[in-house]
Amino acid sequence: DVKVTQSSRYLVKRTGEKVFLECVQDMDHENMFWYRQDPGLGLRLIYFSYDVKMKEKGDIPEGYSVSREKKERFSLILESASTNQTSMYLCASTEYTEDLSYEQYFGPGTRLTVT
Amino acid sequence: GQNIDQPTEMTATEGAIVQINCTYQTSGFNGLFWYQQHAGEAPTFLSYNVLDGLEEKGRFSSFLSRSKGYSYLLLKELQMKDSASYLCAVRDSNYQLIWGAGTKLIIKP
Repeated sequence: DVKVTQSSRYLVKRTGEKVFLECVQDMDHENMFWYRQDPGLGLRLIYFSYDVKMKEKGDIPEGYSVSREKKERFSLILESASTNQTSMYLCASTEYTEDLSYEQYFGPGTRLTVT
Repeated sequence: GQNIDQPTEMTATEGAIVQINCTYQTSGFNGLFWYQQHAGEAPTFLSYNVLDGLEEKGRFSSFLSRSKGYSYLLLKELQMKDSASYLCAVRDSNYQLIWGAGTKLIIKP
């Protein structure tokens, strides 16, 4: 079974703090993604990575950065946390399938509260 | 702009059938996904449609009409464990996923 793990389920940080969210997958997937999920909105893509040291901006990259030093690990960094970054953060990874039906495998999520 | 529309919430009775609709307007189309998400948990993959028609998987079926920009997820013989949110997502011409806000399905005994 594919497993995607995230470093914390719940996190409380203060405004202005630097926050690191870690994601690890164990299936040698090339592609990894960071989303945020807010009530009434669909999942919104923050950043994704298709290879080690490669990153691409998603729809809402402002205020975030990422790091992918190893294939299995994809980190999301909030340089200076703000209250509007309070959200559920979901990491996902993708395998390749011949029919292009590459489903995303999600981690359990980190609920971040910035006070 | 790109848009995915789903009903916010639906209620159904245990043992019954429910249909959750999804309409989309996207820049190109390279497949439509349905995911299930229980409260406080990660989304899990249910189905993938890229051609028109019905795909059946046990109690769950998913239908696609590309010309109408429309899909539905059909759940039969509803069980209490089917209470969850159901997310529709479309892969656009850039192979990026555009997500709907999800439909919260409440099952009553």
